[in-house]
Amino acid sequence: GESVGLHLPTLSVQEGDNSIINCAYSNSASDYFIWYKQESGKGPQFIIDIRSNMDKRQGQRVTVLLNKTVKHLSLQIAATQPGDSAVYFCAEKEGAQKLVFGQGTRLTINP
Amino acid sequence: NAGVTQTPKFRILKIGQSMTLQCTQDMNHNYMYWYRQDPGMGLKLIYYSVGAGITDKGEVPNGYNVSRSTTEDFPLRLELAAPSQTSVYFCASSYLRGGLMVETQYFGPGTRLLVL
Repeated sequence: GESVGLHLPTLSVQEGDNSIINCAYSNSASDYFIWYKQESGKGPQFIIDIRSNMDKRQGQRVTVLLNKTVKHLSLQIAATQPGDSAVYFCAEKEGAQKLVFGQGTRLTINP
Repeated sequence: NAGVTQTPKFRILKIGQSMTLQCTQDMNHNYMYWYRQDPGMGLKLIYYSVGAGITDKGEVPNGYNVSRSTTEDFPLRLELAAPSQTSVYFCASSYLRGGLMVETQYFGPGTRLLVL
């Protein structure tokens, strides 16, 4: 079936640098995508979402980019902080009620 | 609002035992979900519910049962625990926003289950 996947399982960045986390999706009909952050021992936390009629959406220190041509999604975190250390998941909407999650990327921050 | 709450936080079961994982949300969300997350993996949908009295299977329903008698509660039942059910279980809820289809899901803190 259709699935969402991630390019890299781990990403290490220096504190203060920008982080870019990538995600590939396979269902060209998907019209809604979400990024979640999961800290150790906690449930996933909503970060930002984007609809397929948009190419870019910005939040506080985060930006999501959607490239429908190559079915690629990315999450950019500006001025990465130690508190950004977590696993980041992208998810795409399947049908009316469900989300399909990718495997996740672990982001670690080097001091 | 407390959001989505789950109990217990951690449980050890012996093979063949049964248990119920509790999930409650106080946001009046129509939609509720159960996921499992194996180590280093993403979330897989077990069951979901679009409202009281309505449930449906997700990607990995075998070995589990659910019920939805109220809007607030969505318990997950394991009848005969197996080692393959060792995992972290997350409950989530969602809502219709402005008449559109459900989107953002809000997650509970999870229940860690170990079956030995």
